[in-house]
Amino acid sequence: NAGVTQTPKFRVLKTGQSMTLLCAQDMNHEYMYWYRQDPGMGLRLIHYSVGEGTTAKGEVPDGYNVSRLKKQNFLLGLESAAPSQTSVYFCASSYPDRGSGYTFGSGTRLTVV
Amino acid sequence: RKEVEQDPGPFNVPEGATVAFNCTYSNSASQSFFWYRQDCRKEPKLLMSVYSSGNEDGRFTAQLNRASQYISLLIRDSKLSDSATYLCVVSPNTGFQKLVFGTGTRLLVSP
Repeated sequence: NAGVTQTPKFRVLKTGQSMTLLCAQDMNHEYMYWYRQDPGMGLRLIHYSVGEGTTAKGEVPDGYNVSRLKKQNFLLGLESAAPSQTSVYFCASSYPDRGSGYTFGSGTRLTVV
Repeated sequence: RKEVEQDPGPFNVPEGATVAFNCTYSNSASQSFFWYRQDCRKEPKLLMSVYSSGNEDGRFTAQLNRASQYISLLIRDSKLSDSATYLCVVSPNTGFQKLVFGTGTRLLVSP
């Protein structure tokens, strides 16, 4: 009963390095999301996907790219990391039904130095 | 103005107390409402949906007032394990099910 799995759980990057965060879900959810959570800011939507092969920008997309090549996977890329991207990143997935809520992964703690 | 506003707390209460959290939302066309719970350094987890008629799940009662654009969560007989941050969550009335999260209210239940 895995639900939503995120890898890695922790990472330290140097400014300018790149990395990819992986999110995998086994619930056959259509929709997937990437959020970042910062103190006092709450959860902010970075990018989302409403189906395989589709992605869209959320509230804070700058500096990030995403891909959804398979329904169960949603990748978040940082091409050139900046200290402002130090945050906790959460992936989530859901059914299209507005009332179903989200299932979240356990998060990735990223520090950019 | 934030789309979803909550008192950040913390609310410090003794075990057994009743505590209430409030939340206001700005989009009058919002359709779905939730309370999520987030433990320290963990992911948010769905606590309960909020229905117009109000709903109860054990010690937890959620209320929605659409006219005032106000949501509440009441916790009765607080337990130590209820200590967490409670996130008020709203889904605007758009074709895409985007959830908007409040910044959360922190609850600390002490012995």
